[in-house]
Amino acid sequence: KQEVTQIPAALSVPEGENLVLNCSFTDSAIYNLQWFRQDPGKGLTSLLLIQSSQREQTSGRLNASLDKSSGRSTLYIAASQPGDSATYLCAVKTGGFKTIFGAGTRLFVKA
Amino acid sequence: EAEVAQSPRYKITEKSQAVAFWCDPISGHATLYWYRQILGQGPELLVQFQDESVVDDSQLPKDRFSAERLKGVDSTLKIQPAELGDSAMYLCASSLTGTHEQYFGPGTRLTVT
Repeated sequence: KQEVTQIPAALSVPEGENLVLNCSFTDSAIYNLQWFRQDPGKGLTSLLLIQSSQREQTSGRLNASLDKSSGRSTLYIAASQPGDSATYLCAVKTGGFKTIFGAGTRLFVKA
Repeated sequence: EAEVAQSPRYKITEKSQAVAFWCDPISGHATLYWYRQILGQGPELLVQFQDESVVDDSQLPKDRFSAERLKGVDSTLKIQPAELGDSAMYLCASSLTGTHEQYFGPGTRLTVT
């Protein structure tokens, strides 16, 4: 059974710092992996989607990498800003096309 | 920009009552998902539709929950009777197909008293 874990559960950094969020999964037979952002009480906003054949995807200050063999993905945020404060979630699409989410990392960027 | 629409945004109901949520996906998206998110946790898939057909409802508590997407466009999720433990955010998402990027609506916050 696929399990998705995100560490750390919470993170507080000063503005301007570069940071890495981690997502690990137990079964490497995935179809793709998607990173989302969620503001308190809101829905999810898609950030990046990485297909299983890809190693990384970039969008602005965000870079997501995927290492299927080790069951890991990282989300790199460059030059963090207070507006980046939110919960970041990763979701794995399994080989059977089921979507499994991690519990998320709560990020707080201090001005 | 096309968005997934959900209503209502908030719902307060008493236990044992019936409640229904509505979702309108992005036009042209064949796959529609309903998720439940408990505070502090990631979303859990309840049901996935491909057009009007259910392709996964393994986590749907079928004794009290039902979902339909009759014409393969908008969808309704119903709970009857509601229980205190059903208090959560109910999220709808859609994608072009089951393997494409998912787009989420704003969610419905359900409180059962």
